[in-house]
Amino acid sequence: AQTVTQSQPEMSVQEAETVTLSCTYDTSENNYYLFWYKQPPSRQMILVIRQEAYKQQNATENRFSVNFQKAAKSFSLKISDSQLGDTAMYFCAFIPGTYKYIFGTGTRLKVLA
Amino acid sequence: GAVVSQHPSRVICKSGTSVKIECRSLDFQATTMFWYRQFPKKSLMLMATSNEGSKATYEQGVEKDKFLINHASLTLSTLTVTSAHPEDSSFYICSALNRTAYEQYFGPGTRLTVT
Repeated sequence: AQTVTQSQPEMSVQEAETVTLSCTYDTSENNYYLFWYKQPPSRQMILVIRQEAYKQQNATENRFSVNFQKAAKSFSLKISDSQLGDTAMYFCAFIPGTYKYIFGTGTRLKVLA
Repeated sequence: GAVVSQHPSRVICKSGTSVKIECRSLDFQATTMFWYRQFPKKSLMLMATSNEGSKATYEQGVEKDKFLINHASLTLSTLTVTSAHPEDSSFYICSALNRTAYEQYFGPGTRLTVT
């Protein structure tokens, strides 16, 4: 079965600090795409960052970066210089060959002032 | 990413009535759209895959006669909750698939309350 596991239901971080959200997945596919989505209180799903499995280089988007370990099937998200606006639910997801997303259960992140 | 809209954003209906939710892809043609349901503080649960010009594919456990999906054009998919009951109250989210990018673009969601 293809699954995504987010082992941290809730996390908190002080403003301006760095936090890492973990995500592991299971698939027998070799080519797939990985995503981190942010869902703020408005509940709009916002793409934070994506990674193609065939690329060894870790994706970065401004303050957001990933640590992609293909062999370990791990895809963690690092948020640097955390801001109050980063407070949200974060979902890890991947597309394992079909076009359907497999979502994790989410991590609720709270940035503290 | 592309823009996907949903209408209405909130709807309250009485038990036994039907309600239609529209999902529009505003700036690209989407042959495939998805419908999700999300309970409070939970992840998105895929309900069905909507394909333009053909029947929707429903996930296991989702009643196709209860949740009617129509994808009549490359920019519009609709979800109709028939004979709604309070247990159908939820947050419904649609997405449009960009096949080239292997990415889904999400609508802002619709909060359905059945009284």
